[in-house]
Parts: sequence; structure tokens; C-alpha cells
Amino acid sequence: GIQVEQSPPDLILQEGANSTLRCNFSDSVNNLQWFHQNPWGQLINLFYIPSGTKQNGRLSATTVATERYSLLYISSSQTTDSGVYFCAVGYGLTFGKGTHLIIQP
Amino acid sequence: NAGVTQTPKFQVLKTGQSMTLQCAQDMNHEYMSWYRQDPGMGLRLIHYSVGAGITDQGEVPNGYNVSRSTTEDFPLRLLSAAPSQTSVYFCASSPQGPLNTEAFFGQGTRLTVV
Repeated sequence: GIQVEQSPPDLILQEGANSTLRCNFSDSVNNLQWFHQNPWGQLINLFYIPSGTKQNGRLSATTVATERYSLLYISSSQTTDSGVYFCAVGYGLTFGKGTHLIIQP
Repeated sequence: NAGVTQTPKFQVLKTGQSMTLQCAQDMNHEYMSWYRQDPGMGLRLIHYSVGAGITDQGEVPNGYNVSRSTTEDFPLRLLSAAPSQTSVYFCASSPQGPLNTEAFFGQGTRLTVV
């Protein structure tokens, strides 16, 4: 099956910093989504982005399908951005192991 | 709109007991799915359904049964619980299938099997 690798596994930043999270996948996909799991366990869909670039406030994402990777950018981080960020791809959504982000005040 | 609703939120079972995790959505979504999340892992697909009366297996289906008699409901059954099934279970739905649109997740059911 398709493999999904996310990096870095852990990231600790100060409030106000910017960050880039990466998702590599092993095969061509026509579905890629980014999720945020907050400290209470709730999964929130951030982006449906099989290709191209999207922006939503301080968050943006870019997927380069031909090179099999996607990037999630978080600018001006806030403590509420803390949690785990998952990339998921393909039919049935194969998830990566996530990036655990901690934003310190 | 309640979105995707899972019940119960927490459950403790003894080995060998059976139970059903409930999942309901009020968005008229055709596609529904069940995942389990283990510590330090991403979510893994258990079963999915592309519409009422149609179900299929995901990556980790053993020990679980599903049915889809209505568009709204997609229950997950554990016939004989095992400690290896201790996990957090998430139900998700999307309008036309996972390829075309974003997925919406329920709040999860934390299951402990002792």
C-alpha cells in the first residue's frame, strides 16, 4: 500500500514563529488532506489539497503531486495551534504518523 | 447540524464481551468510514461504506463488523473484545467519497479492553 511519511515528528516553537511541515507519499494520489488533532483529540480538516496551493488565514498548503509531497505552512504561530498535524492520502485515507507541534507562550 | 456524532465517548469492556460503537451523521453524506488510532500512530482504516447497503474492508478489519442500513448510521461491532482492540475509534463521513471532498470526523470513542 501507499506509504506516507511526515517530518519533523516533533516541533517546539515560540509563539509568533513560522513553521513548515512536510508530507511525502510513495505513489501518485488524487486525494490529499491535512488535519489538525487538538489536545482534546478532535480531528479538524484543514485542507483538501490534491494539488496546487490553498490558504486559510495563517495557514497555507501546497501539494506538488508530480513530486509526491505536500507542505503545510503555519505563520505567526499561536498556542492554540498546538496539537498533532496529520497528512492523509488516497482512497480511504492512509494517514502519516503526524507532526506533534507545541507552541510555547 | 450536529455533524458526525459518536457514542459512547468512553467505554471499558472485559475480554470476550461484545459491543457496538455508534456513528451517525446528519449531512446526507454517502461515504462513511471507521478508523482506529493507537498511541504515536496515525489513524488506520477499519471498514468503510460508499452508500447504504455497501461496505468494504480497510487496512485492519479483523475483529470488527459493520453494516449500513441507512445513509445516516454506520455502527461498528466488536463481537468478542480483545485487549489489542484498546484504542481510540473515529468515525468519518464525506459527501461523495474520500477522493473528491474533505472528510469530517466525529469526536472519537476511547475504548479500553481489560
